Amino acid sequence: AQSVTQLGSHVSVSEGALVLLRCNYSSSVPPYLFWYVQYPNQGLQLLLKYTSAATLVKGINGFEAEFKKSETSFHLTKPSAHMSDAAEYFCAVSEGGYQKVTFGIGTKLQVIP
Amino acid sequence: EAGVTQFPSHSVIEKGQTVTLRCDPISGHDNLYWYRRVMGKEIKFLLHFVKESKQDESGMPNNRFLAERTGGTYSTLKVQPAELEDSGVYFCASSPGARTQYFGPGTRLLVL
Repeated sequence: AQSVTQLGSHVSVSEGALVLLRCNYSSSVPPYLFWYVQYPNQGLQLLLKYTSAATLVKGINGFEAEFKKSETSFHLTKPSAHMSDAAEYFCAVSEGGYQKVTFGIGTKLQVIP
Repeated sequence: EAGVTQFPSHSVIEKGQTVTLRCDPISGHDNLYWYRRVMGKEIKFLLHFVKESKQDESGMPNNRFLAERTGGTYSTLKVQPAELEDSGVYFCASSPGARTQYFGPGTRLLVL
């Protein structure tokens, strides 16, 4: 069975500071890993995905995530937070391209001016 | 290219009533998924269609929920009769194959 743990349901950072959102996963097979973002009053948008190619994955809006098998982690980072990054972020895992996606509980990111 | 669309965006109904949610996937996407997020909880998988066939319905909570995808295009999710615990956001997603799932904006359902 697959599962995702997101550490911190709420994270606050200052504008311009590093963004680090933590995600640990569990999967019985090599996983596909995703980060999705939900801006207020909008749907889920894919930020980035890992599908067994490069372990450092770059996504949209300056975000990136690194797959670390030994730590079963897939943390999301951005060097400098913008006010527009305020949103809810979801880490997710899938056991194959056709398979259902299992989500973490989500982390709400607040950016303080 | 149009994205996944869902209708309605919001629905408020009373306990015991029936509600039907609709999802139009991206054109050409054979795979269609339904998910639900109850307030404060994770987004959870409900079921997966490949064309008009149910591939996996392991996440459907009970027999009050009925999903259909006649003709392999749009899908409907009917809740009958609705209960208070059915309140939440219902997301639909589609994918062309073994690739990323693209999500719609969701339908916010409130059962009073």
